[in-house]
Amino acid sequence: DSGVTQTPKHLITATGQRVTLRCSPRSGDLSVYWYQQSLDQGLQFLIQYYNGEERAKGNILERFSAQQFPDLHSELNLSSLELGDSALYFCASSVVPNTEAFFGQGTRLTVV
Amino acid sequence: ELKVEQNPLFLSMQEGKNYTIYCNYSTTSDRLYWYRQDPGKSLESLFVLLSNGAVKQEGRLMASLDTKARLSTLHITAAVHDLSATYFCAVVDNNNDMRFGAGTRLTVKP
Repeated sequence: DSGVTQTPKHLITATGQRVTLRCSPRSGDLSVYWYQQSLDQGLQFLIQYYNGEERAKGNILERFSAQQFPDLHSELNLSSLELGDSALYFCASSVVPNTEAFFGQGTRLTVV
Repeated sequence: ELKVEQNPLFLSMQEGKNYTIYCNYSTTSDRLYWYRQDPGKSLESLFVLLSNGAVKQEGRLMASLDTKARLSTLHITAAVHDLSATYFCAVVDNNNDMRFGAGTRLTVKP
């Protein structure tokens, strides 16, 4: 157990819908990262937060947004979902940016 | 922009054999991480390499970092079936951006 908690573990939703994925980092970790993993795209970095502030942005679509709250948990919001958004979404956390990161178990999103 | 390339992307090897996975990156870095992922599971941290010439070993796996060549290697000695997984390297550049390689899917056959 890495100490990073993601909910829900599985999510099935229809195209056009909106979902929110939640991540609780390890105790003491200030930095949170979101990654998308699909079969054809590999592990894609989406966005990174540090102590509540957005720190780095990767290949995140405009339909997606995220935030990190004062208690350091983070949420990834995915809207106007498309079939191609089906993937495993991982959250990871580290003490400070870009030190060793620990990954949650992921949320498997299926868009039908 | 930092680019991280792993090769091979797919590796099928027999038990008992040795092999090396390579991770090349495009910009200056002195921090590199190796992760393992089992199918459908999360990523597990294997090694943290923080300086030129760093070498870490755990069981049948050994990782090294050559910052001048911008290269890290993950060497597998006398492979066993339990090592079958996907292995990722992740590199942090001097802008503190971290990027993952595409992963090497390793299959060890009896």
